[in-house]
Amino acid sequence: DVKVTQSSRYLVKRTGEKVFLECVQDMDHENMFWYRQDPGLGLRLIYFSYDVKMKEKGDIPEGYSVSREKKERFSLILESASTNQTSMYLCATAQGGSNQPQHFGDGTRLSIL
Amino acid sequence: SQQGEEDPQALSIQEGENATMNCSYKTSINNLQWYRQNSGRGLVHLILIRSNEREKHSGRLRVTLDTSKKSSSLLITASRAADTASYFCATDISPNYGGSQGNLIFGKGTKLSVKP
Repeated sequence: DVKVTQSSRYLVKRTGEKVFLECVQDMDHENMFWYRQDPGLGLRLIYFSYDVKMKEKGDIPEGYSVSREKKERFSLILESASTNQTSMYLCATAQGGSNQPQHFGDGTRLSIL
Repeated sequence: SQQGEEDPQALSIQEGENATMNCSYKTSINNLQWYRQNSGRGLVHLILIRSNEREKHSGRLRVTLDTSKKSSSLLITASRAADTASYFCATDISPNYGGSQGNLIFGKGTKLSVKP
């Protein structure tokens, strides 16, 4: 069974802090994605990666960066957290192209104070 | 970039009734997927329908796709309280229209409430 694990379910950080959100998968999937989900806005793609050390910007990359040093791990980094980055962050993985389902972690609810 | 839009935004029904949710999209697609999200959890994939398919079934789920109208519907028959969740459609975008391989665009979802 597919397992996508996000390091924290809930996280509270302060404005200006550097924040790391971790995502680990055990399916050997090539593709990994970071989304944020906000009420009324749905899911928006922040960054994605098709292979180790490769990354591509999604729709809202500003204020974020990512790291994929190993195939199973995809990290989202908030360089200097701001209150407008308070959100639910969802990691997903997929094997192959868009004709494959994405498998999601349970999300990290991040609050920036 | 908004591609899929679900309708209605919210739906409240009694247990045993059927629930129908609709999704409309704007540009040519290769396939369309439906996902469910229980409150406070991640999304779970339900069903994928390809652009050359018109209907697909999975248990109590029935999905239709009309590429001429750029729309899809998800029907849940004989609903149960456990079906209470938000439901999202997700579309890819053909590379001919600027899409990237593997990316999906999610709609804002339909919030379904099934009352016992």
